[in-house]
Amino acid sequence: AQKVTQAQTEISVVEKEDVTLDCVYETRDTTYYLFWYKQPPSGELVFLIRRNSFDEQNEISGRYSWNFQKSTSSFNFTITASQVVDSAVYFCALSEAGFGSGGYQKVTFGTGTKLQVIP
Amino acid sequence: KAGVTQTPRYLIKTRGQQVTLSCSPISGHRSVSWYQQTPGQGLQFLFEYFSETQRNKGNFPGRFSGRQFSNSRSEMNVSTLELGDSALYLCASSLGVGNEQFFGPGTRLTVL
Repeated sequence: AQKVTQAQTEISVVEKEDVTLDCVYETRDTTYYLFWYKQPPSGELVFLIRRNSFDEQNEISGRYSWNFQKSTSSFNFTITASQVVDSAVYFCALSEAGFGSGGYQKVTFGTGTKLQVIP
Repeated sequence: KAGVTQTPRYLIKTRGQQVTLSCSPISGHRSVSWYQQTPGQGLQFLFEYFSETQRNKGNFPGRFSGRQFSNSRSEMNVSTLELGDSALYLCASSLGVGNEQFFGPGTRLTVL
């Protein structure tokens, strides 16, 4: 069974500090996909990044960076020089693909990490 | 491109009633998934539809059902509502397996 653990329930940082959100996953599949989503106070989940299990390259997008390590089953997310607008709940998600009966997608979300950036 | 839309945005029902929620995916997306979000349980997967077929279902009682139409629009139905069904119901669309999901704003259901 697949599982996603986000051990940090809430994190508070002062603006301009760097912060890393942890994500650890469990899966028996060799092909899987990992995602990060942001849910601001307005409520709508916003897609941030997608990674497949064969691509361990780290990615940087502006102040955001992601570190994918299959050896430790982790997909951590770092925000550099945090800003108040980064305050939100961040979800890590794992998708396994089932290929029976035409294929299906089962996505498991972590419980989320609430990030508060204090001005 | 228009995003995922969900109607209604808010609903108040009483125990025992039934409710139907609607979701219109992004044009071209054939996969629609539904999630229940509550403070205590987080995001729980309800079911996924692709080309009018339910491909996967989460661990929810049979009171929760859904369907998808030929234009990929989807509906979710909850019968015999219980207080514990109060939640934010999110719909997400995607191109299919392994692709990112795009979420709608959700329908906030309150059961009194």
